Amino acid sequence: DVKVTQSSRYLVKRTGEKVFLECVQDMDHENMFWYRQDPGLGLRLIYFSYDVKMKEKGDIPEGYSVSREKKERFSLILESASTNQTSMYLCASSLVRAGETQYFGPGTRLLVL
Amino acid sequence: DQQVKQNSPSLSVQEGRISILNCDYTNSMFDYFLWYKKYPAEGPTFLISISSIKDKNEDGRFTVFLNKSAKHLSLHIVPSQPGDSAVYFCAASGTSYDKVIFGPGTSLSVIP
Repeated sequence: DVKVTQSSRYLVKRTGEKVFLECVQDMDHENMFWYRQDPGLGLRLIYFSYDVKMKEKGDIPEGYSVSREKKERFSLILESASTNQTSMYLCASSLVRAGETQYFGPGTRLLVL
Repeated sequence: DQQVKQNSPSLSVQEGRISILNCDYTNSMFDYFLWYKKYPAEGPTFLISISSIKDKNEDGRFTVFLNKSAKHLSLHIVPSQPGDSAVYFCAASGTSYDKVIFGPGTSLSVIP
């Protein structure tokens, strides 16, 4: 069974703080993704990575950065958290580049005060 | 501008009846479509998919229909069960795409 884990289920941070969200997958998948889920908007892609040290912007990369130093680990960084980044953050991985099933972690609910 | 639309934010169905969830897309380059199911406090899980060379794919109680000319797909759940109560996301992708585009989701409630 593919397992995608996220470092925290719930986080509360202050405006301006730097926030790190970590994601680890155990299936040797090439591709990893970070999404945020907001009511009425579905899942929106923030960043994705097809290989170690590779990253590509998704649809809403502003205010975020990512790091992929190891194949199994993909980190999302909020450089200076803002209240409009309060959301559910979901990490996913997949074996094939496009169209293949993605396996999601349980999500991190982030509240920025 | 949403490329994948799910125009019903919510749907209520009696247990044992059919649930029909609809999805429309705008980009004719999409050639692979997926449905994901999400329970509260969990990540989405893959449910069923269909490629554009087919017009129907069935997996147990779940069937997805694709109408390419109308750029429309639907997920049928028969019979519906209370455990099917969840948010369902329609998603689309294609060989010329690097990523999957998700719709806003439809929240299904199956009433016992």
